[in-house]
Formats: sequence, C-alpha cells, structure tokens
Amino acid sequence: EPEVTQTPSHQVTQMGQEVILRCVPISNHLYFYWYRQILGQKVEFLVSFYNNEISEKSEIFDDQFSVERPDGSNFTLKIRSTKLEDSAMYFCASSDSSDPRGLEQYFGPGTRLTVT
Amino acid sequence: AQSVAQPEDQVNVAEGNPLTVKCTYSVSGNPYLFWYVQYPNRGLQFLLKYITGDNLVKGSYGFEAEFNKSQTSFHLKKPSALVSDSALYFCAVRDRRAYSSASKIIFGSGTRLSIRP
Repeated sequence: EPEVTQTPSHQVTQMGQEVILRCVPISNHLYFYWYRQILGQKVEFLVSFYNNEISEKSEIFDDQFSVERPDGSNFTLKIRSTKLEDSAMYFCASSDSSDPRGLEQYFGPGTRLTVT
Repeated sequence: AQSVAQPEDQVNVAEGNPLTVKCTYSVSGNPYLFWYVQYPNRGLQFLLKYITGDNLVKGSYGFEAEFNKSQTSFHLKKPSALVSDSALYFCAVRDRRAYSSASKIIFGSGTRLSIRP
C-alpha cells in the first residue's frame, strides 16, 4: 500500500540554525500539508499546498517557515532560524487529486525535531 | 471558530467489551468529521469520516462513529475491543464552508485508549 514517507525520523539542531524537513507524498497526490504536534499537545495545522502555491496557512506559519516542492516527488518544510519552541513532531500529509477538499489525508510517520 | 473537544484523556476497557471514545465539536453549519488513530512511533492513520447521509459511519478495523447533529457529537465506537486497539485516537473537523483547495483539519487533543486483556 502506498504511503507518505518522511526523513529524517529525528533531527537535532541548535537554536538559530536552519532545518529542512523532507516528505515524499503518495505519488499521484496533488494536495500537501504540514502539521505539527508539540509533545503532549494536539496536532496543529501549519500549511497546505497545491499547484506550487500555499492554499492556506495558520498563524503559526510565520516568515520563519517556508514550503517547497523542489521536484516531482519531494515536499519540504524549511525553518529558517529555529527556536526552542519549534521542538515538535512534524507530520506531512497528502491527499488525492480527486480529493481537493482534503477529506482523506494520508499522514507520514513524522519527523521529531529537537532544538537545543 | 472551529473547535473539537475530546473530554477524556484516557479510556480503559477490557478486551471483548464495547468501547466508546467521545468527541464533540463546535463549527457553524454542518462540518466534515474524522477520526484518526496514532500508534506508538507511527503517523496518524485515517479511520473514518462523516460527509453526509447516514449518521452511522463505518470505518477501518471494525470501528464506527455516529454523527449526532443535535448534540454536536461524533463518538467513536466498537462493539468488541481488542488489545491491538490500544492507541491514541484523534477526532477532527473541517469546515464544510471552506472552499479553498486543501483546507486544514482541526484536531482534538486526543484520547488514549487502553485495552486490557
């Protein structure tokens, strides 16, 4: 069964450094998402992406964050200058081309980001 | 503003007994409603969704959920629990009125389900 993959599984970085979290969505999916889950808290929406543009973003997704689809398979989340409070599990998700409303989003296993 | 409430942090059930994980929501109009499950060190897995039609929705692994508009609830149920059902369960909602492509899902805080043998 096709699945969303994410690398790395765990990233440790120092405060102020840039990080790039990588995701490979399911191959025929066209809608992409990033969510995060701070330890012990709920899953929070960050951004959605379609047709090389951001469709929607939350107030969390400030100028420190950016997303990109650099090629036909990867979808990346970049945090320009990490802060301690960026430590969280980051989930990538994708939904099918026939699902523009994102009603069935498939999630990756997550990348645990630890900022020290 | 949209919100989802899962009033129980933890639910404990004996194997073979029925289980219920509660969820209530606050959204204007009729929302889309979802349940996701998260196993240890795994991502979120889609269980089921309510879009329209029959209020009782059947999903993966024998789970079902009932949409109750008057009580604004979408409780997850299973007639007979298995030890392997032990996991973290998230209720989620999406505003039906959101027209933009790839709109966000709002998640509840999660309920840890523990099934004892």
